[in-house]
Amino acid sequence: DQQVKQNSPSLSVQEGRISILNCDYTNSMFDYFLWYKKYPAEGPTFLISISSIKDKNEDGRFTVFLNKSAKHLSLHIVPSQPGDSAVYFCAASVGFEEYGNKLVFGAGTILRVKS
Amino acid sequence: DTEVTQTPKHLVMGMTNKKSLKCEQHMGHRAMYWYKQKAKKPPELMFVYSYEKLSINESVPSRFSPECPNSSLLNLHLHALQPEDSALYLCASSQDAQGGNTIYFGEGSWLTVV
Repeated sequence: DQQVKQNSPSLSVQEGRISILNCDYTNSMFDYFLWYKKYPAEGPTFLISISSIKDKNEDGRFTVFLNKSAKHLSLHIVPSQPGDSAVYFCAASVGFEEYGNKLVFGAGTILRVKS
Repeated sequence: DTEVTQTPKHLVMGMTNKKSLKCEQHMGHRAMYWYKQKAKKPPELMFVYSYEKLSINESVPSRFSPECPNSSLLNLHLHALQPEDSALYLCASSQDAQGGNTIYFGEGSWLTVV
């Protein structure tokens, strides 16, 4: 039972254009969402997060949008750069989880930015 | 640069060996985690330590034994592993173990069991 889904295994974008990565979730208890970027042979690097009390969070070229009614979030990267080529994981957690902070990850989307 | 440091970066071990993976963080975080990641899959939670006490064990086989000597250190002791245990093992930490805290990952230890 996949609680966090990234339905696009890969995305290819031209340098300078916008990259939009999508994520859907099924568990309505999730209230904190994160995006991680991962290069091969490295650990995931935290990019940006959003709490369920917000619908948008921005950090430089990265913006995350949350649509709670649709249980959908997206990561926008503008402008895309070749160094952004990596696997992007969406993750979610439940606040005040009694026994610990359990992140549930999506399957990941491979982003390729062409120069 | 990640502030969660893992050693060794690569480890090859036989099925009868005993080895350990080590992790250190100096961010003052009170929660530490072990995740396992297989190729082309997302990370999967193995253990959560909160204030140096084991709070979550995701039904991990006993051949994996975690240890948290203090709030900055986390070890994963390995014994009698199987080839299917070959994977990237990720250590992570967060401010505390409450949901809603950002989890920061180390670069991982690549384990190959032969």
